[in-house]
Amino acid sequence: TQLLEQSPQFLSIQEGENLTVYCNSSSVFSSLQWYRQEPGEGPVLLVTVVTGGEVKKLKRLTFQFGDARKDSSLHITAAQPGDTGLYLCAGRRDISNFGNEKLTFGTGTRLTIIP
Amino acid sequence: DVKVTQSSRYLVKRTGEKVFLECVQDMDHENMFWYRQDPGLGLRLIYFSYDVKMKEKGDIPEGYSVSREKKERFSLILESASTNQTSMYLCASSLGTPDTQYFGPGTRLTVL
Repeated sequence: TQLLEQSPQFLSIQEGENLTVYCNSSSVFSSLQWYRQEPGEGPVLLVTVVTGGEVKKLKRLTFQFGDARKDSSLHITAAQPGDTGLYLCAGRRDISNFGNEKLTFGTGTRLTIIP
Repeated sequence: DVKVTQSSRYLVKRTGEKVFLECVQDMDHENMFWYRQDPGLGLRLIYFSYDVKMKEKGDIPEGYSVSREKKERFSLILESASTNQTSMYLCASSLGTPDTQYFGPGTRLTVL
């Protein structure tokens, strides 16, 4: 099974600070997604990056796909308590018999923003 | 809005029991998925289905089976529950592939 390793596994910082979460693999993915999961809920998609080197911004969140499409990062500027949650990266791979793509999820980063 | 519902939020079963987890989506999605989520391991795919009565094994299918008799419903079955199947189970659906997966709130299963 191809693995996506996320680092750090846990991160606790003060409100207003900046942070970066990393998602790394030895495998190439056709695209990569980032999800956020809050307690008691399922993951919700934040963004999809497709092209190597692509950068996407979602308000204070900046997502980057590595040039070789093996890794990605999520940078949060001026973190707020509402950013608290479990962040999951997920890479698309095509291995099913029907040629459909499936997601490989990362190990997760649990982020806590302290007011 | 897409809605994916799961039959139970919390479930406690005993070793050896047969367990059914139900998932229903209301957006006529073609694809449905079952994952389990464990700390430090992320989400791991158990089974998925791209059409009614069609199923395909994911990464960790051992000890599980699935049923999809209707397009909107995808069931996960634990034939004989074991303690190592204690986990959070998440169902998801998507319109096609590649496409966004929409997740249910999860069922936290404890097997004693």
